[in-house]
Amino acid sequence: AQTVTQSQPEMSVQEAETVTLSCTYDTSESDYYLFWYKQPPSRQMILVIRQEAYKQQNATENRFSVNFQKAAKSFSLKISDSQLGDAAMYFCAYCTGTASKLTFGTGTRLQVTL
Amino acid sequence: NAGVTQTPKFRVLKTGQSMTLLCAQDMNHEYMYWYRQDPGMGLRLIHYSVGEGTTAKGEVPDGYNVSRLKKQNFLLGLESAAPSQTSVYFCASRSLREGRGELFFGEGSRLTVL
Repeated sequence: AQTVTQSQPEMSVQEAETVTLSCTYDTSESDYYLFWYKQPPSRQMILVIRQEAYKQQNATENRFSVNFQKAAKSFSLKISDSQLGDAAMYFCAYCTGTASKLTFGTGTRLQVTL
Repeated sequence: NAGVTQTPKFRVLKTGQSMTLLCAQDMNHEYMYWYRQDPGMGLRLIHYSVGEGTTAKGEVPDGYNVSRLKKQNFLLGLESAAPSQTSVYFCASRSLREGRGELFFGEGSRLTVL
């Protein structure tokens, strides 16, 4: 079974600074996708960024970027120029198989301070 | 666009009572999923469906049943609620045509079993 591990239950960053959230996963598959989802206090799940395993180039979405290390099975999320609105729970997720089920990590709660 | 709509948003049950959570999506998505979210455990897949009339078990299916009689609806039933089923439940859907793309989530339903 695939597992996703987020070893940082909580992180804190000052406004305008950069923070990196860690994620590792375990799989024997070669074809899969990885995601980072954000869950603010509203509880809504919001897609932040997606990475296809067959792509070597790291995905980037504005202030959000990933460091995808396929051999190490690592998928970290970097948030640059942190904003107060970035404060949320962040979930790493892995997807494979014909039904494309997502397996989630336990989440990292990010606080953004002034 | 309504997207994915869950009803009810909140419910309090007594042990042994039954209830049904309704998920409706208006995006003509083939795949639908039910997850539960518990503190420190991320989101775990309960049941999923890859099309009308088909359902399958996920990671934590015990105590739940599902039905997908119509493509746009995915129902999650609790026949005899237990306190261990106190959780926040999320429905999600995805398009088959977009490969392993983004899951679209509902806003969640908070269920408390006393």
